[in-house]
Amino acid sequence: KQEVTQIPAALSVPEGENLVLNCSFTDSAIYNLQWFRQDPGKGLTSLLLIQSSQREQTSGRLNASLDKSSGRSTLYIAASQPGDSATYLCAARDDKIIFGKGTRLHILP
Amino acid sequence: AAGVIQSPRHLIKEKRETATLKCYPIPRHDTVYWYQQGPGQDPQFLISFYEKMQSDKGSIPDRFSAQQFSDYHSELNMSSLELGDSALYFCASSLGEQGWYEQYFGPGTRLTVT
Repeated sequence: KQEVTQIPAALSVPEGENLVLNCSFTDSAIYNLQWFRQDPGKGLTSLLLIQSSQREQTSGRLNASLDKSSGRSTLYIAASQPGDSATYLCAARDDKIIFGKGTRLHILP
Repeated sequence: AAGVIQSPRHLIKEKRETATLKCYPIPRHDTVYWYQQGPGQDPQFLISFYEKMQSDKGSIPDRFSAQQFSDYHSELNMSSLELGDSALYFCASSLGEQGWYEQYFGPGTRLTVT
């Protein structure tokens, strides 16, 4: 059974710093890995989707990598801003989408 | 671009009442998924439909049922509501049921059971 783990559960960093969020999954037989952003009480905003054949995807200040063999993905946020404060969820897709419990990110002004 | 539409966006019900949530997929998408996200929890898969047939089932309570109609919209019917059913319910749609198709998520319906 697929399990997705995100570490750390919460993170506070000063504005302007680069940071890395980690996601690990137990079953490497996935179709893709997706990163979402969720503001409190709000919906899921898809940030990046990495297909199993890909190693990374980039969008603006965000870069996500995927290493299927080790069961890991990272989300790199460059030059963090207070508006980046949110919960970031990763989700692994095999026959279902399995979400991690998220990392609550707080960017300090 | 058209997105997944969910209605209503907010719903307040009392215990033991029934609720119906609706999901309108992106045009040409034939696969719909339902997820439940309790307070402080990660989203959990409930059920999915492909071409109007149930394709997969997750942790959906027996009190809940769902279907996909001929126009591909889907409805989640929830009966005998309990306090623990209070959650954000997401619908997602995709072009097909195969795993490589991206799921596009709707804004969610917030259900509060009092």
